Amino acid sequence: EAEVAQSPRYKITEKSQAVAFWCDPISGHATLYWYRQILGQGPELLVQFQDESVVDDSQLPKDRFSAERLKGVDSTLKIQPAELGDSAMYLCASSPVATGFYGYTFGSGTRLTVV
Amino acid sequence: AQKITQTQPGMFVQEKEAVTLDCTYDTSDQSYGLFWYKQPSSGEMIFLIYQGSYDEQNATEGRYSLNFQKARKSANLVISASQLGDSAMYFCAMRSFSGGGADGLTFGKGTHLIIQP
Repeated sequence: EAEVAQSPRYKITEKSQAVAFWCDPISGHATLYWYRQILGQGPELLVQFQDESVVDDSQLPKDRFSAERLKGVDSTLKIQPAELGDSAMYLCASSPVATGFYGYTFGSGTRLTVV
Repeated sequence: AQKITQTQPGMFVQEKEAVTLDCTYDTSDQSYGLFWYKQPSSGEMIFLIYQGSYDEQNATEGRYSLNFQKARKSANLVISASQLGDSAMYFCAMRSFSGGGADGLTFGKGTHLIIQP
């Protein structure tokens, strides 16, 4: 069964350091999403890509977060500098089309701890 | 703005009993979709069931059914014959079809379900 791949699975970093997460969506999925899930809460959308273009980044803290999907396939989410409050699970999801019903497929996530 | 409310932070249920997880939503959009996801302690989000706002019948998927009451803006998940493996966090989520291509999910805070033997 096709999966959304994310790495690393776990990451511990010191505050003020830079950190990056990688996501490889299911082959052929045009839409890719990054979510942040703080412990005890539901995921919240950070950014949505349609192919290589950003569709929605209204909730992305742009002073420290950046995301790219250069060739419209895999994607990288970066935080620089990391803050203690960034400790969370970062989930990537993909879907085949931008409209209509479709199944979002989530990756296993990257659990970030900032110390 | 969309909002999902899950009022049950935690629930304890005896194995083999049915359980209902509550979800209410708020949106001004006419066309939207409602999802339920299961998140075990390992962290992955597992899709359970989907209900479209124009679907006339309640969705069912195996032991999962969605009690959709559009006028009340509620979309409760019913799990029949609960099993120990059902213990997990459960999230209700909504996607709007308002156009523009932005269609990320809005999630509730979740319900932690524990099935007791």
